[in-house]
Amino acid sequence: DVELVESGGGVVQPGGSLRLSCAASGFNFDDYTMYWVRQPPGKGLEWVSLITWDGNTIDYADFVKGRVTISRDNSKNSLSLQMSGLRIEDSATFYCAKGGSYGSGYHMAVWGRGTTVTVSS
Amino acid sequence: SDELTQPPSVSVSPGQAARISCSGDSLSKQYTSWYQQKPGQAPLLVIYKDNERPSGIPERFSASTSGTKVTLTITGVQAEDEADYYCQSTDSSGTYVIFGGGSKLTVL
Repeated sequence: DVELVESGGGVVQPGGSLRLSCAASGFNFDDYTMYWVRQPPGKGLEWVSLITWDGNTIDYADFVKGRVTISRDNSKNSLSLQMSGLRIEDSATFYCAKGGSYGSGYHMAVWGRGTTVTVSS
Repeated sequence: SDELTQPPSVSVSPGQAARISCSGDSLSKQYTSWYQQKPGQAPLLVIYKDNERPSGIPERFSASTSGTKVTLTITGVQAEDEADYYCQSTDSSGTYVIFGGGSKLTVL
């Protein structure tokens, strides 16, 4: 079965940094675009970043651009999100998601359970 | 602008059809997907590539497109369908992912 397990969340002060990780299993990781999506408490889904299978295409939402870096290690079936300059409004559950098959457009076929980031002084 | 607009809430009686709309300029050019999210759970893909259902998603879930408006239809709504539903697409250039604000489906 496809499984995505996020880790690395926690409590951090404003201006601090965190590195989120996502361990993938049950599928050919290097065939798929991967995503990070966040959800602030009680609010809707917000796309954060994506990285294509080969890492050649990387995109970020405007609200994180310049503050986060997405990366992947296909040899280890892992996805990461390095976040710095964290703000209170970045507090959210962060989900790792697997993309769909080639030609089916950008969408999140399978989601992890999420990891919680709390930015607070 | 590349935004997706959904009604905040939709209510329906069991056995009836629920229709949740999603409007946005990019929808006439880009694929749309829909996600179901129940309280305390991760989102679940229910529709992708406009009207394709992933394996395991009941046939009562379908979607249709008319210009810049996409509608998710759940026929024969069941109590277990009560959830938040989000539409998702990309901006007109196909570069950035965008989500609608979500619609809370209440089964009366």
